[in-house]
This record gives sequence, C-alpha cells and structure tokens, in this order.
Amino acid sequence: RKEVEQDPGPFNVPEGATVAFNCTYSNSASQSFFWYRQDCRKEPKLLMSVYSSGNEDGRFTAQLNRASQYISLLIRDSKLSDSATYLCVVNDPDTGNQFYFGTGTSLTVIP
Amino acid sequence: EAGVVQSPRYKIIEKKQPVAFWCNPISGHNTLYWYRQNLGQGPELLIRYENEEAVDDSQLPKDRFSAERLKGVDSTLKIQPAELGDSAVYLCASSLVFAGYNEQFFGPGTRLTVL
Repeated sequence: RKEVEQDPGPFNVPEGATVAFNCTYSNSASQSFFWYRQDCRKEPKLLMSVYSSGNEDGRFTAQLNRASQYISLLIRDSKLSDSATYLCVVNDPDTGNQFYFGTGTSLTVIP
Repeated sequence: EAGVVQSPRYKIIEKKQPVAFWCNPISGHNTLYWYRQNLGQGPELLIRYENEEAVDDSQLPKDRFSAERLKGVDSTLKIQPAELGDSAVYLCASSLVFAGYNEQFFGPGTRLTVL
C-alpha cells in the first residue's frame, strides 16, 4: 500500500467553479501535511502547509481529517492560472524529515 | 533570499556515459534531498542528507548512482554508467526544521535524457 494516494484526475472544470481534491495517507501518526503545485516542466512549489485541522489562504482551503486519514484541497472561483498538477505530501512521523508524495492530481480550468 | 540552485538544467547523453548533477540548497538548510521524477508521477526519494551524513539512501541504485555532500552544503549526484531508464527529472530540495515546522523547497531540476 502506498503511503499517499491521490486521484490522478484529470479534473477539467470551467472558470469560476469550485473543485476539491482528496488525498489519503496510510500512517495515522503523520503530523504534517502539504499541498504542492507543479506546473508543466517546472518544479513543485509549496502551496499550503497543514499542521492542525486545516488552513486557508484566499481561494484555497486545506482540511485535515485525522479520523479518516485524508487531506482535502478546495479551490474556489477557479482561475485559468490554477491549471496545474497538485501534489499531496505527507511527512513521515518516524524520521521527521522524510516526505512521501502522491502521484499528483491534474487540474485544467477551461475558459 | 536565493532558492535551491541546480545545474545543469538540461542534459542529454548517450547510454553508458557518466553524468553529474549539482545542487546548492537554501542557505542554512541542513537537510538536502535528491528526488527522481518520471512523467506523471510524484517525486521519489533517492537520498536524504542531514548535514553531510546520508541518513536515507535505501532507494539509491548503488551500483550506478553515487552522491556526496562533503561539507554539508552543496551536493553532487552522479550516475555512471547511465541507462535508458534513467531518463527523468532529478530534483534537489532542502528543508530546515524550525519550531516544529519542516517545509521543503525544490530547485528547478535537471532534465536528463539518455539516448
């Protein structure tokens, strides 16, 4: 079983729509969670960190459900510029400094 | 503040040739990671350094891959000899644990093509 699993999509949504991605993780002791954005042929860039129940930054909201071991990313009022791959990342609680990546969820926002 | 620096950005070589990648992490970041990313996949860890010590190299194909971080700052990843299946993007990342928080930042990557 993989440490982190994501729906690869692709998600194709119209501009202005709300879209949500889910990510499940296997180690219930994990403490730190992250969403990265990766544009085509670019490196992953940190979008949001989640250390408690959730985090919000403008149109982006991340929520953590420890009981069900999943993290979600909600994007409201989607923009064309939101088109990218979104990577879910979970910190290994045993080593502290190791991170496990999902395969990414592809989002395309359509005009 | 300068981010993670990697070079070269692109490399095309023939199989069986050697290749080396260089990474300079964010200043003060003591943890350095080398990842390999294939198309449509998330990054996969090759090796992790804490200062100059390699603390996790379980996924590094040691028959052909080697890495070093001699002074606990910049690092080099080498492949010798390269195989067709080594074509991928090699990402370097660094992180610093501070007040219980640990976030990693990536360099632009080296896109390797083995012909």
